[in-house]
Amino acid sequence: NAGVTQTPKFQVLKTGQSMTLQCAQDMNHNSMYWYRQDPGMGLRLIYYSASEGTTDKGEVPNGYNVSRLNKREFSLRLESAAPSQTSVYFCASQGDRYEQYFGPGTRLTVT
Amino acid sequence: QKEVEQNSGPLSVPEGAIASLNCTYSDRGSQSFFWYRQYSGKSPELIMSIYSNGDKEDGRFTAQLNKASQYVSLLIRDSQPSDSATYLCAGTGYSSASKIIFGSGTRLSIRP
Repeated sequence: NAGVTQTPKFQVLKTGQSMTLQCAQDMNHNSMYWYRQDPGMGLRLIYYSASEGTTDKGEVPNGYNVSRLNKREFSLRLESAAPSQTSVYFCASQGDRYEQYFGPGTRLTVT
Repeated sequence: QKEVEQNSGPLSVPEGAIASLNCTYSDRGSQSFFWYRQYSGKSPELIMSIYSNGDKEDGRFTAQLNKASQYVSLLIRDSQPSDSATYLCAGTGYSSASKIIFGSGTRLSIRP
C-alpha cells in the first residue's frame, strides 16, 4: 500500500518548456488535489478533482492544466513553464471524512 | 475569503514541556478540522483530525475544538526534539467540503 505517489521527485525546466507531473493513489479515494508550496508559505490549491471525470479550478490555476485519467491518477501539466512556477508541488487524495493524504512532492525549478 | 489563521512562530518549547499550537477559522459552517505536521523538505503528514466540540487524544497529541469560539488547538505533551516541525491547521469549508482550507503553519522548535 504505497498511498500517494508522485513522479518525478525533481525537475529543472527552461522557460517555455512543458512537462507533466504524475500522481497516483491506491486508497480508492474519489477526490484528488494539486497544491503548490513556495518557501515559507502555505499550501495553495491549483486544481482538484472531486470525482473521476470532473476537475475544478482552485486558488491559483493560471498556467496549469489537469487530467483525471481514471480514479487512481491525476496529472498536472505545465504547458509553457515560467520562473514564477518554481515551487514544490504536492498531490493529495481525500478520504471519506475529508482527511487528505499527501504524496512526497515534486521540486520544480524553472530557469 | 474563508480563512484559517495561525501564528507563524517560531514557537520555542523546552524538551519535556507541553507545546500548545492554536488556530482560528472564519467560516462558521466549517465542520471538520485537521492538524498536519511537515518536516523541512517533506510533505505534510496528517496527525490529528477532529469533527466535534471537545478534546480528542491520541498518544502525546490532544486536539481541541471549540466551534462557538471558532478555534482549534493542538497540544503536544512531553515534547521531543523530533516534534520540531511546522504544524498546519486545516478545516473544511461549509460551502464546499471538497476543498480544505489550510493555515500557513506554525513553526515549532523543541530545545533540548
